Amino acid sequence: GQNIDQPTEMTATEGAIVQINCTYQTSGFNGLFWYQQHAGEAPTFLSYNVLDGLEEKGRFSSFLSRSKGYSYLLLKELQMKDSASYLCAVTDSNYQLIWGAGTKLIIKP
Amino acid sequence: IAGITQAPTSQILAAGRRMTLRCTQDMRHNAMYWYRQDLGLGLRLIHYSNTAGTTGKGEVPDGYSVSRANTDDFPLTLASAVPSQTSVYFCASKDGENTDTQYFGPGTRLTVL
Repeated sequence: GQNIDQPTEMTATEGAIVQINCTYQTSGFNGLFWYQQHAGEAPTFLSYNVLDGLEEKGRFSSFLSRSKGYSYLLLKELQMKDSASYLCAVTDSNYQLIWGAGTKLIIKP
Repeated sequence: IAGITQAPTSQILAAGRRMTLRCTQDMRHNAMYWYRQDLGLGLRLIHYSNTAGTTGKGEVPDGYSVSRANTDDFPLTLASAVPSQTSVYFCASKDGENTDTQYFGPGTRLTVL
């Protein structure tokens, strides 16, 4: 079966760094997405990785290792507005997105 | 440009009633999707359409139907609602069929009593 695992909840301090991990087992792989979802709102696109390595975009970076079925999202200089759920999703061999349940990130002052 | 709009924003529905959730996009995207999101679960695909005139079943299609008469609109119909269909429903679209980014509408919160 297809499976994407990410921690249910994480807590971090404002100004700090946090790493949210995602492991996947899917039928085929055509890229991995990270989305941010604030409570009561729609998911919004953060990053996309299809090749191994680190993609940096401002305070956010995303890493992929295809051989390990592993990705992480790194958030630096945390701000209170970063409190949200972070969704990991993999494009499978049929080009459909398979979604993880999301990681709720709580930022404390 | 509105992007993707969904209607209604929320709805309380009696079991057994028929309900259509509306989704319209103005980005001329080819592919459109309907997901449901339940607490503790990832987004689950209900139905999709890769282009106008075609539709396909996702992971959880039972009890739902869709149509894609044109590029912009992708309505989702619950023929006879049941309490297990209580959920938040998101419509999404993307430009191409493959690895393009999906963009989401604001969602419809549906409660079936």
